[in-house]
Amino acid sequence: EDQVTQSPEALRLQEGESSSLNCSYTVSGLRGLFWYRQDPGKGPEFLFTLYSAGEEKEKERLKATLTKKESFLHITAPKPEDSATYLCAVRFGSSNTGKLIFGQGTTLQVKP
Amino acid sequence: SAVISQKPSRDICQRGTSLTIQCQVDSQVTMMFWYRQQPGQSLTLIATANQGSEATYESGFVIDKFPISRPNLTFSTLTVSNMSPEDSSIYLCSVVPTNRGTDTQYFGPGTRLTVL
Repeated sequence: EDQVTQSPEALRLQEGESSSLNCSYTVSGLRGLFWYRQDPGKGPEFLFTLYSAGEEKEKERLKATLTKKESFLHITAPKPEDSATYLCAVRFGSSNTGKLIFGQGTTLQVKP
Repeated sequence: SAVISQKPSRDICQRGTSLTIQCQVDSQVTMMFWYRQQPGQSLTLIATANQGSEATYESGFVIDKFPISRPNLTFSTLTVSNMSPEDSSIYLCSVVPTNRGTDTQYFGPGTRLTVL
């Protein structure tokens, strides 16, 4: 069964304490892995798209990496404003439906 | 990215009634989707809104319960019919912009629905 699993479910960090979020997937024919940030009461905000193993993308304190089985979202020296739920989603298969499957998300809390 | 608006932003409805949610985009988009996010859960795709034809529904979602329209390339509606408390969720519209060289989906702000 095609599946996307994120870990941990929740993460508490002190300001400045770097860490990583994991997104593992079991799908056939990955056609893109997407990271989103979601603040309470809002829609997901796009962060990164990764297409092939070895690819990396960076934006401010965030860095996303991709292997053949998983992706990591590294957060370097986080600040309280980085507190949010981070969602991972994958597109897969041979069709061009654009369908995404989402993981359950990791809720990050950064304490000052 | 495209600017996406949804109306209403939130609503409280009675059991058995229906609610229509609108999604408006500021530019033409290739694909439009409707997702549901139940309390404390992640996003689940309801259907792909096809311009000028019937929507494509995912397993577990049917047209009688979630009729969708997409009359043009910038607008779509999702109706939640004969509502029950289990329909209480956030409903999100997402789009893939046209001619941006990307297949990234961008999301609207969502409609928070509470059914009593």
